[in-house]
Amino acid sequence: AQSVTQLDSQVPVFEEAPVELRCNYSSSVSVYLFWYVQYPNQGLQLLLKYLSGSTLVKGINGFEAEFNKSQTSFHLRKPSVHISDTAEYFCAVNGGPTDKLIFGTGTRLQVFP
Amino acid sequence: EAGVAQSPRYKIIEKRQSVAFWCNPISGHATLYWYQQILGQGPKLLIQFQNNGVVDDSQLPKDRFSAERLKGVDSTLKIQPAKLEDSAVYLCASSFDSYSPLHFGNGTRLTVT
Repeated sequence: AQSVTQLDSQVPVFEEAPVELRCNYSSSVSVYLFWYVQYPNQGLQLLLKYLSGSTLVKGINGFEAEFNKSQTSFHLRKPSVHISDTAEYFCAVNGGPTDKLIFGTGTRLQVFP
Repeated sequence: EAGVAQSPRYKIIEKRQSVAFWCNPISGHATLYWYQQILGQGPKLLIQFQNNGVVDDSQLPKDRFSAERLKGVDSTLKIQPAKLEDSAVYLCASSFDSYSPLHFGNGTRLTVT
């Protein structure tokens, strides 16, 4: 079965600094990878997804992620964060379009002024 | 387009009581999901519907949880009787089909005392 590990439960960072949120997944023949963001008291919103093709995926709000098959990683990055990026970020994986989506435990990004 | 609607937003009940949550997906979305998100954890799929048929309910505690999606549109998730460990946010999501991104509602926060 697929699994996802988000090693960092919290990441504090100052505004305008770069940030990387780490995600590792269990190896499989094929994987679809996703990053979702959850603002306080709201549902999850899709940031970006990797289905196939280019390993560098660009998403909304200036975020991007790189699929690294050899390291089974899909880390999320932003070159300069804003206060409004403070939220919970979830990495998710499934083995195909009809497969169950498995979420990681989440990383809380706290941006300080 | 209108998003996924859920009600109520908050519910507090005593253990052994019953509770029901309602979800109205985005118009035209055939696939509907119920997720349970316990504090500090990622969302866990409880049940997935395709139109009004169940696709996956392998993680639904069927002795106390039930869900239905009459006419392939709205859905209701019920817990009877509730336990303390059912305290969580219950998220409803919908997608055009099982190949499309998920759109989440804002969730119902359940507290069982």
